[in-house]
Amino acid sequence: AQKVTQAQTEISVVEKEDVTLDCVYETRDTTYYLFWYKQPPSGELVFLIRRNSFDEQNEISGRYSWNFQKSTSSFNFTITASQVVDSAVYFCALSEANSGYALNFGKGTSLLVTP
Amino acid sequence: DAGITQSPRYKITETGRQVTLMCHQTWSHSYMFWYRQDLGHGLRLIYYSAAADITDKGEVPDGYVVSRSKTENFPLTLESATRSQTSVYFCASKEGLAGVNEQFFGPGTRLTVL
Repeated sequence: AQKVTQAQTEISVVEKEDVTLDCVYETRDTTYYLFWYKQPPSGELVFLIRRNSFDEQNEISGRYSWNFQKSTSSFNFTITASQVVDSAVYFCALSEANSGYALNFGKGTSLLVTP
Repeated sequence: DAGITQSPRYKITETGRQVTLMCHQTWSHSYMFWYRQDLGHGLRLIYYSAAADITDKGEVPDGYVVSRSKTENFPLTLESATRSQTSVYFCASKEGLAGVNEQFFGPGTRLTVL
């Protein structure tokens, strides 16, 4: 069963628009970790953020912000004033103790930002 | 160079051949992982290792073998390659005993099995 669901397969926006990438997860653990990674067209995986299950505080980093809500098992990612360089595939991932803290990835959301 | 490296970066092989993908990290991270990335599936865990000589299966381990005799190396072997193993393979490592730390990924190996 898919533990991390990214319902949006592809999103296309025009530069300067705000865009939110959804992530819903499923776990029975009380301690777990959530991540977002970016994969630009060049193919490497770039770490963006980590959240543990005890910290529901939202975070903002420049144009990026993350909304973690345990009540809805969601960890959504918003890019404000998108730029062409934001075009990439974005992965949400869950880390649990019973798998050696390996990452259980969603299938990714491909974001295309056009000028 | 510091970091995590994978070799080869590209590999073409034939069905039935044995192939080994190499992964090396210079941080002495205790945990190492192998993932494969396929269209429509995202990244899936093949094997992971919590320390030297300790390995465990992930979601899609069939057809793969791993070993970890040294902390810094985590080779992945396809014993008899099949076309379904055509994929991009990523190695990753992280420090610590818990999930708190992020994983650092290698650049990937693109494997084609003909």
